[in-house]
Amino acid sequence: DAKTTQPPSMDCAEGRAANLPCNHSTISGNEYVYWYRQIHSQGPQYIIHGLKNNETNEMASLIITEDRKSSTLILPHATLRDTAVYYCIARVFYNDMRFGAGTRLTVKP
Amino acid sequence: DAGVIQSPRHEVTEMGQEVTLRCKPISGHDYLFWYRQTMMRGLELLIYFNNNVPIDDSGMPEDRFSAKMPNASFSTLKIQPSEPRDSAVYFCASITGASAGNEQFFGPGTRLTVL
Repeated sequence: DAKTTQPPSMDCAEGRAANLPCNHSTISGNEYVYWYRQIHSQGPQYIIHGLKNNETNEMASLIITEDRKSSTLILPHATLRDTAVYYCIARVFYNDMRFGAGTRLTVKP
Repeated sequence: DAGVIQSPRHEVTEMGQEVTLRCKPISGHDYLFWYRQTMMRGLELLIYFNNNVPIDDSGMPEDRFSAKMPNASFSTLKIQPSEPRDSAVYFCASITGASAGNEQFFGPGTRLTVL
């Protein structure tokens, strides 16, 4: 399983884009990159996932480098409700998620 | 669908007592997971089932912990006897193997306090 590295914390101004980096330099060719977030003490919430191509959905965009060794989750217009811990996970099977420490994102007014 | 349902939401018990946590996955989901979250250890995968069969229980901390899934709509996580270090939030999650979105849905969690 590829190990992922994320900064422990980040701040972002409300209304601005939040760019959360993740390093997964040992990722294998069949491992997907998943992003989840956890708001306060709620259960984790799926955000997005991708393999090689950049992905976008209603919540966020995922940019994966060409060598797939790192990725960036982009929240285009962060709001106070986006304050949460964001987890980046590299896995082959979606049914075996292992969560690391994540990045604590604080969106400030 | 109501999402993944867990009960109770809060449980306070005394050391040595048996604790049973319950989970109802989303209808049609064939994978079910149990996680534990603490400040010290973060979110840990304890065990997961596929079609009611335990697939990987390597995360179960010790023999005091056991999990069952008697049918597709119900699972339990039991701790007997409970200890103060078992205090944590326990999450249940489910997913369907046929899901194109590969999204794992989590329940609201059970906050367990063992005194």
